[in-house]
Amino acid sequence: EAGVAQSPRYKIIEKRQSVAFWCNPISGHATLYWYQQILGQGPKLLIQFQNNGVVDDSQLPKDRFSAERLKGVDSTLKIQPAKLEDSAVYLCASSPTQGADGYTFGSGTRLTVV
Amino acid sequence: KQEVTQIPAALSVPEGENLVLNCSFTDSAIYNLQWFRQDPGKGLTSLLLIQSSQREQTSGRLNASLDKSSGRSTLYIAASQPGDSATYLCADSTDSWGKLQFGAGTQVVVTP
Repeated sequence: EAGVAQSPRYKIIEKRQSVAFWCNPISGHATLYWYQQILGQGPKLLIQFQNNGVVDDSQLPKDRFSAERLKGVDSTLKIQPAKLEDSAVYLCASSPTQGADGYTFGSGTRLTVV
Repeated sequence: KQEVTQIPAALSVPEGENLVLNCSFTDSAIYNLQWFRQDPGKGLTSLLLIQSSQREQTSGRLNASLDKSSGRSTLYIAASQPGDSATYLCADSTDSWGKLQFGAGTQVVVTP
């Protein structure tokens, strides 16, 4: 079974620029999550999708972050404009249904904002 | 607001010793609790998932216990090996939707 695919692996941008991350979950997984992991901290949920609908985006900084999941499969997370404090690893995860069972994480995208 | 704490932040043991990793959470009304392993530059791998109705889960050399009344979970790794070196994170879920609240992790080094 193929895992959760994320790209790019690394990205360096200047502050105020925009950036986009892509995630392809495990085939058939209805639930998709984006987490932000700042160095030395545990991951924090940014947004959760159930199929192509948003379940939870309460911790997403909506003035600069946006995410979509077209057709309930792939997802993109965008930051515009980026700030220095957005430097982190952005992790995508998926699970077969809602709930914590069967969580599979991708390898993440490491973003550095300079 | 649920808070998850892991102490210590780092741990070093010689090969063969048993590892004991601690996790505490402030809200005892959890739905489940999960332990993950994270290797440098990689994503998280789920090790054990304990439902709120369970007291423990075991897989090979790993055993995780859950005590909701005291707000604690412990991960035991028997007879540690250098390959067990990684960061271990615990995370709980307080509803059925699957959102996880993570601790900051314990970085483990097992020396040969």
